[in-house]
Amino acid sequence: DTGVSQDPRHKITKRGQNVTFRCDPISEHNRLYWYRQTLGQGPEFLTYFQNEAQLEKSRLLSNRFSAERPKGSFSTLEIQRTEQGDSAMYLCASSLGTRTEQYFGPGTRLTVT
Amino acid sequence: KQEVTQIPAALSVPEGENLVLNCSFTDSAIYNLQWFRQDPGKGLTSLLLIQSSQREQTSGRLNASLDKSSGRSTLYIAASQPGDSATYLCAVIGNTPLVFGKGTRLSVIA
Repeated sequence: DTGVSQDPRHKITKRGQNVTFRCDPISEHNRLYWYRQTLGQGPEFLTYFQNEAQLEKSRLLSNRFSAERPKGSFSTLEIQRTEQGDSAMYLCASSLGTRTEQYFGPGTRLTVT
Repeated sequence: KQEVTQIPAALSVPEGENLVLNCSFTDSAIYNLQWFRQDPGKGLTSLLLIQSSQREQTSGRLNASLDKSSGRSTLYIAASQPGDSATYLCAVIGNTPLVFGKGTRLSVIA
């Protein structure tokens, strides 16, 4: 197993367009997390799944954001009608169980022009 | 609301020095604390995880301590090398998923 993977690594889009990111967690991990990181800041929690169930969403996750994990394996994060303020690194992490070590992917860098 | 602070924000040291990075958190009701390394433009690499019942963890030249009652953790790096240059982040997990500090940007000068 090669760890958590994310696709694409970089995305440039125009304001108002929709974008979708994918995360593939470590295969046996049942928990999957999404974070957002802006320059000079630590990552901020967005949402997490246990298997296919979305258990918690941050107030940062506006109604333009939606995340899914349909079969409890990979997850997608979609941003509709992107805004310049959405420009950030979107990080995915996975863990085995509750409150255990989280392993992060390489991130998707989003630039909204 | 849990808040995590890391001091200093940036640190520059000559190669070979031992150094300490500090992390403090406001709510001591945590389950574990995790230290990460982040290279520019990259994802996070987990360095050490300390569970709330533990006082310290060691991995190679790294030693992390946890004083839950005072809301503090330190990451000690022995015999620093230029390859240690990166941003170091601490994060705590309590009743909500990981809450991160802003990190300490470390530069080790050869």
